[in-house]
Amino acid sequence: AQKITQTQPGMFVQEKEAVTLDCTYDTSDPSYGLFWYKQPSSGEMIFLIYQGSYDQQNATEGRYSLNFQKARKSANLVISASQLGDSAMYFCAMREQKDQFYFGTGTSLTVIP
Amino acid sequence: DVKVTQSSRYLVKRTGEKVFLECVQDMDHENMFWYRQDPGLGLRLIYFSYDVKMKEKGDIPEGYSVSREKKERFSLILESASTNQTSMYLCATDSYGYTFGSGTRLTVV
Repeated sequence: AQKITQTQPGMFVQEKEAVTLDCTYDTSDPSYGLFWYKQPSSGEMIFLIYQGSYDQQNATEGRYSLNFQKARKSANLVISASQLGDSAMYFCAMREQKDQFYFGTGTSLTVIP
Repeated sequence: DVKVTQSSRYLVKRTGEKVFLECVQDMDHENMFWYRQDPGLGLRLIYFSYDVKMKEKGDIPEGYSVSREKKERFSLILESASTNQTSMYLCATDSYGYTFGSGTRLTVV
């Protein structure tokens, strides 16, 4: 079974609108971490946001927030007020207790002016 | 900030060549990783290392080897490059979360 599932290969959003990128995960570990990374066309992977499995509140970092629904095993990324520079690939990842990372296949986001 | 440097952004090599991809980190992190990234497949772990001279196979180690002689340097080796190894290669180091290098786009012709 896939550890991380991103079901949206591509998404479009109008500039200044909010967008949600979906991510579901599969683990039996009680302690795990969830990450989102952004990869612009230049290729570098940029860390955006982290959510721990025991965190009570949803993580936020500026315009990024993580909608964490533990019972549904989902960790969706919400980008508010989209900007042209947000156009990139976005990867959801999970780290289990034994330290291995698992990545989803990514979502390509295009922000339309 | 941790910096992870990959020696080449773009490489073109011929089939059968021995290829070295170098990765250097400037912090004292023990954990280092090599991934390859292909469209529709996401990131797949090739090899990782938790210490000097230590290496572990990831999910797709076939056709690759690694070297970790010093803590800061983790090299990925393609013993005999093949066209199906054309890909984006990403090195990462790990403390709280991953820090990635800028990637190497390798084309094998």
